[in-house]
Amino acid sequence: DIQMTQSPSTLSASVGDRVTITCRVSQNVHTWLAWYQQKPGKAPKLLIYDASTLESGVPSRFSGSGSGTEFTLTIVSLQPDDFATYFCQCYQSFAYTFGQGTKVQIK
Amino acid sequence: QVQLVQSGAEVKKPGSSVKVSCKASGDTFRSYSISWVRQAPGEGLEWMGGIIPALRSAKYAQKFQDRVTITADDSTATVYMELSSLTSEDTATYFCARVRGDSAAPERTYCSPTACPGRFDLWGQGSLVTVSS
Repeated sequence: DIQMTQSPSTLSASVGDRVTITCRVSQNVHTWLAWYQQKPGKAPKLLIYDASTLESGVPSRFSGSGSGTEFTLTIVSLQPDDFATYFCQCYQSFAYTFGQGTKVQIK
Repeated sequence: QVQLVQSGAEVKKPGSSVKVSCKASGDTFRSYSISWVRQAPGEGLEWMGGIIPALRSAKYAQKFQDRVTITADDSTATVYMELSSLTSEDTATYFCARVRGDSAAPERTYCSPTACPGRFDLWGQGSLVTVSS
């Protein structure tokens, strides 16, 4: 089974900060990786897919990079609406796997 | 409006079963696959399985293989997820999500939305299932 490890688990940041979240995968998944944002009591929202493609309607301050086993989600200038939990997910096969999540909280 | 609308919250006894519904609008039911993901309180996301409604073809995560059944009803454009032999550890919010397997990537230009695994681009609002005696 594919294992996915996100780091950090929690991140404290201020509005305007540049934020980077890492997702490491236990085997090569090429670029078959997505990032989601989730706020309390809400469904996840797709931000990035195919490792670096921005989903329609998602602000350009979000970007994704990486391939193989290491991926990053970057928010270039954190906005008040961005305080949330972020999950990575790989879809190399139909056995979908999610990372454990990174909570971005106000410093 | 393209959306997935799920059934309401349920309270179940240990050992019983629960059936959660997900009604799809637009061409979502006909042209995509639907997956189910659950999230225990304060925990992460866990994929349970999915179905291509047009083909009646379902796949399940190994962890849930013996307890989950995912079905689709053409007449109402609704996907169902039934989980049996409930325990307190099944207390969670259950989400349905539309899966898109099509991609602009060179390696997957052959992929239709249902032919390949993909991202979850549209989600239902979630259904809380509480298992308690």
